[in-house]
Amino acid sequence: QQQVKQSPQSLIVQKGGISIINCAYENTAFDYFPWYQQFPGKGPALLIAIRPDVSEKKEGRFTISFNKSAKQFSLHIMDSQPGDSATYFCAAHNTDKLIFGTGTRLQVFP
Amino acid sequence: GAGVSQSPSNKVTEKGKDVELRCDPISGHTALYWYRQSLGQGLEFLIYFQGNSAPDKSGLPSDRFSAERTGGSVSTLTIQRTQQEDSAVYLCASSLVFTAKNIQYFGAGTRLSVL
Repeated sequence: QQQVKQSPQSLIVQKGGISIINCAYENTAFDYFPWYQQFPGKGPALLIAIRPDVSEKKEGRFTISFNKSAKQFSLHIMDSQPGDSATYFCAAHNTDKLIFGTGTRLQVFP
Repeated sequence: GAGVSQSPSNKVTEKGKDVELRCDPISGHTALYWYRQSLGQGLEFLIYFQGNSAPDKSGLPSDRFSAERTGGSVSTLTIQRTQQEDSAVYLCASSLVFTAKNIQYFGAGTRLSVL
């Protein structure tokens, strides 16, 4: 119930392509869904977040799509760049903590 | 403005030894969180502090783990009688106010290796 399932585990995309990372949850009490980006040797940093009353949020090349009925949400990175190569974590908020997915390692090749 | 600072950045210890990991949050941040990141795994929530108080310690994996925060600032995570399965990156985060919806700022972590 407290889990957030994330896929794929790793993703290789060519420069200019679209990167898509998917997450699914069971607990309908989750009320806030952030995505964090982590570069090697660094801590995660907030990238973008969405609330469940919104179906889509876009910030620059990054878009979250949220499907409340399916209990799924995804991160889309448009025009992927080598500098986007990092590990991405989805997360869900419940009461007093964030529950993180297992992460997706994205590699964007020139 | 300095970010969240963690020390040491790397710690190698022998099985059975005690270790202390330190976190200096961003000045003025009242909430502080500890996570564990194992290879290929997500971020496992351990404990959070609201001020100096830790309302929820249920994420600590065993009674060998403890944490404290003093003066509403620095926090220490202590692992007693370390085991090889404790090897991981321990991450600390802080936020301005206590709510997980508030942006959490992470430190670079302490990489713990138990031999």
